Amino acid sequence: GAVVSQHPSWVICKSGTSVKIECRSLDFQATTMFWYRQFPKQSLMLMATSNEGSKATYEQGVEKDKFLINHASLTLSTLTVTSAHPEDSSFYICSARTQREQLFGPGTRLTVT
Amino acid sequence: AQRVTQPEKLLSVFKGAPVELKCNYSYSGSPELFWYVQYSRQRLQLLLRHISRESIKGFTADLNKGETSFHLKKPFAQEEDSAMYYCALSGRGNAGNMLTFGGGTRLMVKP
Repeated sequence: GAVVSQHPSWVICKSGTSVKIECRSLDFQATTMFWYRQFPKQSLMLMATSNEGSKATYEQGVEKDKFLINHASLTLSTLTVTSAHPEDSSFYICSARTQREQLFGPGTRLTVT
Repeated sequence: AQRVTQPEKLLSVFKGAPVELKCNYSYSGSPELFWYVQYSRQRLQLLLRHISRESIKGFTADLNKGETSFHLKKPFAQEEDSAMYYCALSGRGNAGNMLTFGGGTRLMVKP
């Protein structure tokens, strides 16, 4: 069945480095994928909408140069956190929509030391 | 602008008791409303949507346009219902059908 996967499930990196998170739609194609951020005990906040073959649409307050999104195919979107800082530590969740519903990935926990 | 409000961060009930998780929204058009659930260490998953008018795992939710509410109800809570519940809104015709989430309510069902 249709599933959204993410890789890696968790990552630890040093300040100043960049981290790439992959989001894949399995058994379905997604022209649009969504990237969310979730802080501990808080709700999901939409960061950006990833569009296959075109530029992502970022929500207000989200730095597009810091959170680079590439949606190169109908089944893959990537989020790269550039020059990561400890305040970027969070849970990042991607989502994609089937014809029936919006599916969510398992999330990627990023810790920046 | 669209907004979803869940006034209770935590709701604790005993097994067998009725439960109601509140959700209010603001949206100028005709929205689609959803309830998502996140069990411990699991991903977010759809519980139900207002257009389906279905009952899932004993839960129901009715869209009240007059009160702009979409409260989630279950007559007899079970321990396995303990989870985080998120109310979400999608504006019709919204580009990409993006979802706006409420702050979430943690439901704890005690034995």
